[in-house]
Amino acid sequence: GAVVSQHPSWVICKSGTSVKIECRSLDFQATTMFWYRQFPKQSLMLMATSNEGSKATYEQGVEKDKFLINHASLTLSTLTVTSAHPEDSSFYICSASIPPGDTQYFGPGTRLTVL
Amino acid sequence: AQSVTQPDIHITVSEGASLELRCNYSYGATPYLFWYVQSPGQGLQLLLKYFSGDTLVQGIKGFEAEFKRSQSSFNLRKPSVHWSDAAEYFCAVGVSYNTDKLIFGTGTRLQVFP
Repeated sequence: GAVVSQHPSWVICKSGTSVKIECRSLDFQATTMFWYRQFPKQSLMLMATSNEGSKATYEQGVEKDKFLINHASLTLSTLTVTSAHPEDSSFYICSASIPPGDTQYFGPGTRLTVL
Repeated sequence: AQSVTQPDIHITVSEGASLELRCNYSYGATPYLFWYVQSPGQGLQLLLKYFSGDTLVQGIKGFEAEFKRSQSSFNLRKPSVHWSDAAEYFCAVGVSYNTDKLIFGTGTRLQVFP
């Protein structure tokens, strides 16, 4: 149980285009989903926290207009990287948590390369 | 501010040897502590977690960790390492009861020699 999927697993796009990444909890309803960014050989940095039906809470320094997060249902959150630039190239990971006191379950990640 | 330190960037052990991965945290209240493992092409998998109670926590794949409040540590151990344990290991601290935020350490890459 507690499986989280991401789609796509990797994507290459041209500079200036937008890319949407989906995060789904497959066998449970997630009240909260999180989006992380991981640079090569570095740790995971939390970008934002999203709760179903409400606006995402972004961490300091994360541009909310560049990284649009939508949490339309209890099983789906999307991250859209708008007007992507090469510096947005990274590994994006989502996680989902079951109600308080439990654990975050992580998706396999999406590798974004912006040319 | 909360932080997690994993002092060892890279550790190499022989298969069958014992393993200890270090983790130190900085947090004012009672921490909620986690160890995750990340294998190439796979998502982070939870090995074990500490919320309260017994300070020695048993996890999956034969791993255990001990919470030591006096040392602000939560080291991960395994008595006999298998080649399949080669991966990146992350220690994390949850900064509230509902683990709204996880602060991750920088990770330790484990290499296992046959």
